[in-house]
Amino acid sequence: DAMVIQNPRYQVTQFGKPVTLSCSQTLNHNVMYWYQQKSSQAPKLLFHYYDKDFNNEADTPDNFQSRRPNTSFCFLDIRSPGLGDTAMYLCATSRDRGQTEAFFGQGTRLTVV
Amino acid sequence: DAKTTQPNSMESNEEEPVHLPCNHSTISGTDYIHWYRQLPSQGPEYVIHGLTSNVNNRMASLAIAEDRKSSTLILHRATLRDAAVYYCILRDYGNAGNMLTFGGGTRLMVKP
Repeated sequence: DAMVIQNPRYQVTQFGKPVTLSCSQTLNHNVMYWYQQKSSQAPKLLFHYYDKDFNNEADTPDNFQSRRPNTSFCFLDIRSPGLGDTAMYLCATSRDRGQTEAFFGQGTRLTVV
Repeated sequence: DAKTTQPNSMESNEEEPVHLPCNHSTISGTDYIHWYRQLPSQGPEYVIHGLTSNVNNRMASLAIAEDRKSSTLILHRATLRDAAVYYCILRDYGNAGNMLTFGGGTRLMVKP
C-alpha cells in the first residue's frame, strides 16, 4: 500500500497560472519534505516541515510556497509558474531526525507551457 | 548536511557483486550515513543506513570505514532491476537531522 501519495501524477499548467500539488501520508510522520528534480539532476530540497515548523531553503524562490494544514497533508503552491519550473516534484516523509529513514512519493511531473 | 563524494557512474555485470563507494571526509560524530536509490521515473527509495558498525538488510550491506570518512554500499548480486542512481547522504541525528540533502549520486548500469 502506498504510504506517501502525490496527486496528480502529471500536471500541465500554463505559464503564470497558479498551481497546487498535493501530498498525503498514512505514516503519521513528523517531517515532510518537498523536492524539485529537473531532468538528469539530483532532487533539490525546497523546504520541509517538522510538525508545524516550516523550514525554507535559502535559495528556494519566493514563487514557491507550502502549507501543512495537518499531519497527513502537505501542499506545494507555485504562484506564478515559469517555464523553468518544469520538473518532477517529490514529497517525502520521515518519522524523525537523522537516524530514521525517509519515504518518498512517486512524484508529480509538472510541465509549464 | 555534510558533503559526500561519489563516482558519477559505475557498471556491473548481472549476478555479480557491486561495491559503490562514498567519501565523506567531513563527517561529524552525529551524522548517520544513509543510502537511497532512484529507479527510472520513480521517487527515491531508502536502501540502508548506519552510524559506525557495518549493517545488513535484505537489500544490501553497508560497510563503514573505521574512521567513518568513507563507506561502501554492497549489492551482493546485481540484477537488472538494480540499475538506478544511488545516493549517499549524511543525516545528523540532532536538530539539523531534519535535513535530507542529495548530492550527485552514482548511476549504476547493470549489463546482462
